[in-house]
Parts: sequence; structure tokens; C-alpha cells
Amino acid sequence: EAGVAQSPRYKIIEKRQSVAFWCNPISGHATLYWYQQILGQGPKLLIQFQNNGVVDDSQLPKDRFSAERLKGVDSTLKIQPAKLEDSAVYLCASSQRQGSKLFFGSGTQLSVL
Amino acid sequence: GESVGLHLPTLSVQEGDNSIINCAYSNSASDYFIWYKQESGKGPQFIIDIRSNMDKRQGQRVTVLLNKTVKHLSLQIAATQPGDSAVYFCAENSGGSNYKLTFGKGTLLTVNP
Repeated sequence: EAGVAQSPRYKIIEKRQSVAFWCNPISGHATLYWYQQILGQGPKLLIQFQNNGVVDDSQLPKDRFSAERLKGVDSTLKIQPAKLEDSAVYLCASSQRQGSKLFFGSGTQLSVL
Repeated sequence: GESVGLHLPTLSVQEGDNSIINCAYSNSASDYFIWYKQESGKGPQFIIDIRSNMDKRQGQRVTVLLNKTVKHLSLQIAATQPGDSAVYFCAENSGGSNYKLTFGKGTLLTVNP
């Protein structure tokens, strides 16, 4: 079974630039999550989708971050404009349904200079 | 507020020894707990979980203990191997039926051959 796919693997940008990350969850998984993991810390939930609807985006900095999951499959997370403190690994995870086991992708490591 | 933390940020053991990784949580309403393993450059990988109506659960070489009285969770790894070297996170479901995972900071386990 293919795992959660994320791209790009690494991204380096300058502050105030824009960046987008892409996630393809495990086939058939209805729930999709985006997490931010700052170096030395545990992952922090940014947004959770159930199919193509948002379940929880309470910790998403909506002035600069946006995410969508059109058609309830792939998802993109965008940052515009980026700040230095956005440097982190952005992890995508999916689960069959809300409350079932999460499977994580390898993440996108973002460096904002 | 809600928080999940670890007592020890680093743990170094000899190959073949047993390892114990500890975690404290503060939300007494949390009903589900998970241990994740994260190797360098990879996303977190599910190890074992436990619901709040249990106090012990065993897997292959791993055991999770839950003490709700003192809000403490531990992960025991038997006969630790070099491949067990990684960062270990505990996570709690702080969202009830909405299933929102809050991760702790992590413990780095190093297994010396």
C-alpha cells in the first residue's frame, strides 16, 4: 500500500515570498491533516479536513496560511507571505476516518531566509 | 490548559537493555493516547495506542502503561536495538469525538551497540 506522498521534499525561500506544499493521502482515506513541526518540538496541528470540508483550523494563522482539499483527495498548503518563524517541517497525515490511526508523510522541510 | 510533555529529553541505553520513556499530560479529559516513533528525515510512525479505560497494553517488544491518577504515560521497549534509535513522542486526544491530537516535545532515544 502506498503511503502519504508529499512534495517538495525541501524548499528554501526568502521571507515575504510565497510557497506551496502538496500532499496526496493514502487512497480511500477521508481525513487529512497538516501539521507544523518546528525543530526540537512535536508536531502541531494546523488544519484537519474530513473529505473536502474543514473540521478544525483553529491553529492555522489565517492571515498568511491557507489550505484546500478540492475533490476530497489531494491537498495543498500555502504560505503567503512567509516569515522567518515559518521555518519548519510541514507534515501531512491521513486516516481512514476521524479517530482512526494516522499515517504521516515524510514532510516538506521549509527554510525561510 | 492542555499540554503533553516528557520528563526526559534524551535517553541513552545499551543494546539489549530495556528502555522506558515517560510522558506527563495535563488534560484529565483526554481519552486516547498514542506513542509515535520519528526517525531522522521521516514522519512520525505509529507504535502503540491505549484508551483511557485501560491501564496497560502490550505490543511486539513494546508496552504502554497509563496511570490516570497522576496523568502519566510510559513506553517500555524490551531488548532495545540500534534500530530503535529515534525521537519518541506521546500524543493525546484532547478533542473528544472531534479527535484532535496534541503532541509532546519528544524524547531522543540513542541505543549504543
